[in-house]
Amino acid sequence: GAVVSQHPSRVICKSGTSVKIECRSLDFQATTMFWYRQFPKQSLMLMATSNEGSKATYEQGVEKDKFLINHASLTLSTLTVTSAHPEDSSFYICSAEGRESGSPLHFGNGTRLTVT
Amino acid sequence: DAKTTQPPSMDCAEGRAANLPCNHSTISGNEYVYWYRQIHSQGPQYIIHGLKNNETNEMASLIITEDRKSSTLILPHATLRDTAVYYCIDCAGGSNYKLTFGKGTLLTVNP
Repeated sequence: GAVVSQHPSRVICKSGTSVKIECRSLDFQATTMFWYRQFPKQSLMLMATSNEGSKATYEQGVEKDKFLINHASLTLSTLTVTSAHPEDSSFYICSAEGRESGSPLHFGNGTRLTVT
Repeated sequence: DAKTTQPPSMDCAEGRAANLPCNHSTISGNEYVYWYRQIHSQGPQYIIHGLKNNETNEMASLIITEDRKSSTLILPHATLRDTAVYYCIDCAGGSNYKLTFGKGTLLTVNP
């Protein structure tokens, strides 16, 4: 089945630094990937839609200059948290749609970001 | 905001069937019902989806009412590893669809 790989699974960084998270579709091409964020004991919240070869679409309230998304190929999307602060500590999860139209989204295993 | 409603929690005995209900009374004609689950500290796992017919795969069965306003996910023989938060989502699918997650149902399978 379709597999989405996310890296790193866990990262700790100091306040003010930037962190890049990678999301790869391993056995299929994904023109669209989605980035979610999940705080403890809460549900997943969609942050942005990443489109291959074009600018990402951000949800209301998500700062595009803080959460930089690059989707340069059909198998890779990256999320960079710039100038991270402790309130950015969260579980970040990407997802990608399978090859066939209407196929379900498959999710990566998430990245636990801790900003100290 | 999520358009579906689910009970916040359910318990099930190991080996028994787990029946998880979901209300999606505002579902549109072109929207599918998707079920995902999330085990603690992992990404959501796809379980099953359907439009109007009942569906079955190796993981579960999905029963959708005739009016499509509700559905039930059935895990036929629950195991301890099925303990997770289960999300029911209605979504049109297609080339650029977005899943909006609600709070889901925490299913606890007890030995």
